[in-house]
Amino acid sequence: NAGVTQTPKFQVLKTGQSMTLQCAQDMNHEYMSWYRQDPGMGLRLIHYSVGAGITDQGEVPNGYNVSRSTTEDFPLRLLSAAPSQTSVYFCASSYSDTYGAPLHFGNGTRLTVT
Amino acid sequence: AQSVTQLDSQVPVFEEAPVELRCNYSSSVSVYLFWYVQYPNQGLQLLLKYLSGSTLVKGINGFEAEFNKSQTSFHLRKPSVHISDTAEYFCAVSVGGYNKLIFGAGTRLAVHP
Repeated sequence: NAGVTQTPKFQVLKTGQSMTLQCAQDMNHEYMSWYRQDPGMGLRLIHYSVGAGITDQGEVPNGYNVSRSTTEDFPLRLLSAAPSQTSVYFCASSYSDTYGAPLHFGNGTRLTVT
Repeated sequence: AQSVTQLDSQVPVFEEAPVELRCNYSSSVSVYLFWYVQYPNQGLQLLLKYLSGSTLVKGINGFEAEFNKSQTSFHLRKPSVHISDTAEYFCAVSVGGYNKLIFGAGTRLAVHP
């Protein structure tokens, strides 16, 4: 049972480059989300989706785009990378968008922007 | 605005000693509270959650937490820790629907032999 799979595990970008962080889940979860983790700040919500075709912004959406064409996949796009986007990115999914449904996290993508 | 404060960034403790990781939240509405654990180079895993009912919540790996509405706290406890409990622990609150979580900054628990 793969759960939530994130690729790549590591990535180095130059300022201004674009890239897509991939996230796939095989649990048929409707709810998916992206967080970034920075030292001393915990995790902050970037974007989330409650189902295919439906996305919304979280706490720190600027500089990131998402789309949800299938239930399984929820890619995160960096349009023009900046050093401030150096972080560890986590994708998470849940079987429900209601309160209390536990989130299942991937193992993260460590991104460095130089 | 809702927020979560974890009062200790690091907690060192010896093996088999008890431990308490402190978490306070601020919210003007009903909240749902969670503790997640992150082992090195892994994603987060749910330890326990409070939705309603009994204020003492038991989770996996022998952890428990107590919801205190008057003190707006949700402290995590374990009576006897193991080396394998070394990890970072995050308190989180769910408000506003759609499972959106606000996380605290994390507490790094270091268990020493």
